[in-house]
Amino acid sequence: SQTIHQWPATLVQPVGSPLSLECTVEGTSNPNLYWYRQAAGRGLQLLFYSVGIGQISSEVPQNLSASRPQDRQFILSSKKLLLSDSGFYLCAWSQRAEYGYTFGSGTRLTVV
Amino acid sequence: GQQVMQIPQYQHVQEGEDFTTYCNSSTTLSNIQWYKQRPGGHPVFLIQLVKSGEVKKQKRLTFQFGEAKKNSSLHITATQTTDVGTYFCAATYYGQNFVFGPGTRLSVLP
Repeated sequence: SQTIHQWPATLVQPVGSPLSLECTVEGTSNPNLYWYRQAAGRGLQLLFYSVGIGQISSEVPQNLSASRPQDRQFILSSKKLLLSDSGFYLCAWSQRAEYGYTFGSGTRLTVV
Repeated sequence: GQQVMQIPQYQHVQEGEDFTTYCNSSTTLSNIQWYKQRPGGHPVFLIQLVKSGEVKKQKRLTFQFGEAKKNSSLHITATQTTDVGTYFCAATYYGQNFVFGPGTRLSVLP
């Protein structure tokens, strides 16, 4: 069966520090991968998606970047965090649209 | 970009009462999906609707896609405390990525 792993679960980082969040998927090949951000009590905002290794599409211009160095690995990064980067970051994968997205357990990032 | 609206934003019900959340779009949708996010958790896929007027049921949950494919609803019969959480619709517009609605947060009072 397919599983998705996302870490860390919580993170407190100072303003200006770098960020690296990692997501891996097991049990499938060539998945579509997504990074979402959820502000407190709000909906889900798509940040990046990838349909293959090295292929990254950005939905929202921001202080973040994404990379997909391996088929089942998706990384969200920032060189210098801003206070506004705080939020709940969710990685998701999908093989086919009708199966829906499967989300990881998320990373709660607080920038102080 | 495309936007999907959900109403209500919050709903407080007494256990045993029914609950409905609505998802609306100004343009015709291709597919719509529904997700549930428990407090402190991550969204979990519930169902996908594709056809105009489609109705699907999962135990006490009934999902409906409007005839014009511009709106959808999720109805829960006889709510239980386990139904607590935020319900999101996610809509796609023919080949584009799914756009999530802002969600409806359901509280169930025992």
